[in-house]
Amino acid sequence: EAGVAQSPRYKIIEKRQSVAFWCNPISGHATLYWYQQILGQGPKLLIQFQNNGVVDDSQLPKDRFSAERLKGVDSTLKIQPAKLEDSAVYLCASSLDPPRHGELFFGEGSRLTVL
Amino acid sequence: AQSVTQLGSHVSVSEGALVLLRCNYSSSVPPYLFWYVQYPNQGLQLLLKYTTGATLVKGINGFEAEFKKSETSFHLTKPSAHMSDAAEYFCAVSEASGGYQKVTFGTGTKLQVIP
Repeated sequence: EAGVAQSPRYKIIEKRQSVAFWCNPISGHATLYWYQQILGQGPKLLIQFQNNGVVDDSQLPKDRFSAERLKGVDSTLKIQPAKLEDSAVYLCASSLDPPRHGELFFGEGSRLTVL
Repeated sequence: AQSVTQLGSHVSVSEGALVLLRCNYSSSVPPYLFWYVQYPNQGLQLLLKYTTGATLVKGINGFEAEFKKSETSFHLTKPSAHMSDAAEYFCAVSEASGGYQKVTFGTGTKLQVIP
């Protein structure tokens, strides 16, 4: 069974530029999550989708971050314009719906460096 | 609101020594509890989980954890550390919230194994 796929793995941009990350969840997983992991910290939930709909985006900085999940499968997370403090690893995860006791399956992450 | 506290951001043990990583949680309902492991430049992978039933749960790579409701703890242990155990470990709690499962992670504990 293929795991959660993310791209790109690494991205370096200058502040005020834009960037987009892509995620393809495990087949059949209806719930998709984007987490931000800043160096030395635990993952922080940015947005959670259940099929096409957003169930939690309370910690998403909506003035610069956006995310969409077309057709309930792939998802894209965009940052525009980027700030220095956005340097982090962006982790995508997926789970069954409802998630089996909350068990998540993670991709390898996309590491963003903002200069 | 649920939360997770991991005591000690860095833990060092000698190879062959006991590993003990501490996790305390708060939750308004009986929680599901997890330990995830993250190797360098990789995503998180599930180590073990507690849902219901037996309070001592066993996971992969010889790790186990005990759910203690009276102490609101879910500490992770391994009798004998291997060099390959060097990684970052995250405790997580999941509870139902508004019709979906909300998963919250701790800040992580980086385990160093000294030869």
